[in-house]
Amino acid sequence: GIQVEQSPPDLILQEGANSTLRCNFSDSVNNLQWFHQNPWGQLINLFYIPSGTKQNGRLSATTVATERYSLLYISSSQTTDSGVYFCAVSTSGTYKYIFGTGTRLKVLA
Amino acid sequence: SAVISQKPSRDICQRGTSLTIQCQVDSQVTMMFWYRQQPGQSLTLIATANQGSEATYESGFVIDKFPISRPNLTFSTLTVSNMSPEDSSIYLCSVEVTGPETQYFGPGTRLLVL
Repeated sequence: GIQVEQSPPDLILQEGANSTLRCNFSDSVNNLQWFHQNPWGQLINLFYIPSGTKQNGRLSATTVATERYSLLYISSSQTTDSGVYFCAVSTSGTYKYIFGTGTRLKVLA
Repeated sequence: SAVISQKPSRDICQRGTSLTIQCQVDSQVTMMFWYRQQPGQSLTLIATANQGSEATYESGFVIDKFPISRPNLTFSTLTVSNMSPEDSSIYLCSVEVTGPETQYFGPGTRLLVL
């Protein structure tokens, strides 16, 4: 089956810093989402982005489907950005999302 | 979008017992999904539940251990049967909203088995 790897696995930032999280996948995908899991365990949708670029406030994401990767950019990080970031993909003909390994982010005040 | 609630939010159970987790959605959806997240790990899909049909289980998960009900388009239950400490996890339900095919998650049920 498809493999979804995220890097880095762990990241510590000072408040105000910028970061880039990467998601590599081993096969063509139909759908791709980025999620933030807050420290209480709730998963929040950030982006639905099977291709192209989107921006939402301090967050933006880019997916290059032909090269099988997606990037999540966090600018001017805040302590509330702490948590785990997951990308999840589904492939053609399936409805199931496969989750990546995750990036654990801690933003220090 | 969709608003999803789960009950209970957390529980501590003794080994050998069973726990049923409820998932309620604020709108009618065709597909509901159950995931397990073991401590410090990513999410793993347990099964897909469609109303009016048997749930479809992923490799490594069986109906006897994780029976699922889907009586209508807004509700589902997952039972964790004959629990052992290895079942200690967060269990999450999710739904798929089309246009585009986006998944939304409930708050999760934190289960600790002693």
